[in-house]
This record gives sequence, C-alpha cells and structure tokens, in this order.
Amino acid sequence: AQSVAQPEDQVNVAEGNPLTVKCTYSVSGNPYLFWYVQYPNRGLQFLLKYITGDNLVKGSYGFEAEFNKSQTSFHLKKPSALVSDSALYFCAVRDIRNYGQNFVFGPGTRLSVLP
Amino acid sequence: DAGVIQSPRHEVTEMGQEVTLRCKPISGHDYLFWYRQTMMRGLELLIYFNNNVPIDDSGMPEDRFSAKMPNASFSTLKIQPSEPRDSAVYFCASRGDREVEQYFGPGTRLTVT
Repeated sequence: AQSVAQPEDQVNVAEGNPLTVKCTYSVSGNPYLFWYVQYPNRGLQFLLKYITGDNLVKGSYGFEAEFNKSQTSFHLKKPSALVSDSALYFCAVRDIRNYGQNFVFGPGTRLSVLP
Repeated sequence: DAGVIQSPRHEVTEMGQEVTLRCKPISGHDYLFWYRQTMMRGLELLIYFNNNVPIDDSGMPEDRFSAKMPNASFSTLKIQPSEPRDSAVYFCASRGDREVEQYFGPGTRLTVT
C-alpha cells in the first residue's frame, strides 16, 4: 500500500534562513511525487512535482524538492524563507501502476517563518 | 480560468438534515475528485470521476454519502442524513487528462450540530 510520512508536525525557521520540510514515501512501483501548500481557509495549491528525470525539481515561489530514490525521500527546500511562506505543507504520492489515480497525502507540516 | 469553484463555502446544519455540496471543475478537465479534510484523519479521497463516470468510490464513508456528476461542469456530494461526525472541510479537485497534478477548490467547511 502507498503511504506518505511527514515526520515533523511543525517546522520553525527564521526569515532569510534556508528551510527544509521533510517527506518520505512508500510505494510498490515508481512514484509520482507532489508538494502542495495550504494557506488558512484556502484550498491546496500545487507547488511542484516529480515524475522522472532530474532529481532536483524546481517549482513555484522559489521552492524546490529533491527526489532521493535510495532514501525514498522527497524533501521540500527553499534557500531563503519568507514570512509569507508560513502555511501548511502537504507531500503526496501517486502510484502509477495500472494508471492508478490514487493520490495519498501526508499528514501535513506546519511551517512558521519568524520575522 | 476561474479555477475550481465550490459552493457553499460554509455550511452549518443540524443533525439529520440533508446537505449538498457543489463543485464546478476547471473547464476541459476530465477528472474530478472529492476529498474530506479533518484534524484526525487528514486529507482523504472520497470518490473520483473520469468523464463524468464514478471510477472509485471506496473512500465514501457509508451509504449516507453519495456523489453525482451529471455533466462535465458540475458535481455534487450529498450527505443524507448528516451527523456531527461529518463536520469537516470538503474539497473538490480536478485535473486534465494529460496532467498528473490536481487543482483544488477553496473547500466547503461543513459544521453539523
């Protein structure tokens, strides 16, 4: 079965410092991996995805993520955090076997960027 | 494009009442998904449609929940009768046939008293 883990419920970082939000996954086949961000009282917004190719994926708002197959991880990163990045971040995986549409989300990590 | 549209944004109802949530997907998108978000269970996929046909409803909690997609631009999620444990934020998402990422609506916050 597919699963996604986000080991940190909360990440605090000072404005201007680099940030990392961790994600590990478990799927039987090759994964499609995603990061979404949710601001208060809003829906989820797509940030970036990994399907194949380069392990370092660049996305919206200066975010990037690194796919590591051996560690089954897909950590979200940003070189310099902004206060406006404070939000709830979700990692998700889709198992591409049999053209499956099943999208499994992690529990979410709350990022707080302190001024 | 206006994105995925959901209505109402907030719904407060009494236990036992029927609740209908509505979704308009992004024009041209072939897939539509209904999710539920709670503190306890996180984001759960309830059901998804492809070309208006329900494909996987294994996430629908019980018979009180039903979903329809009468045409490519409209879907409903109905709860009858509603119970307090149904209180959650319900999201609709859609995606095109050639895409892998899903695009989410703003959600409907349902409170059942």
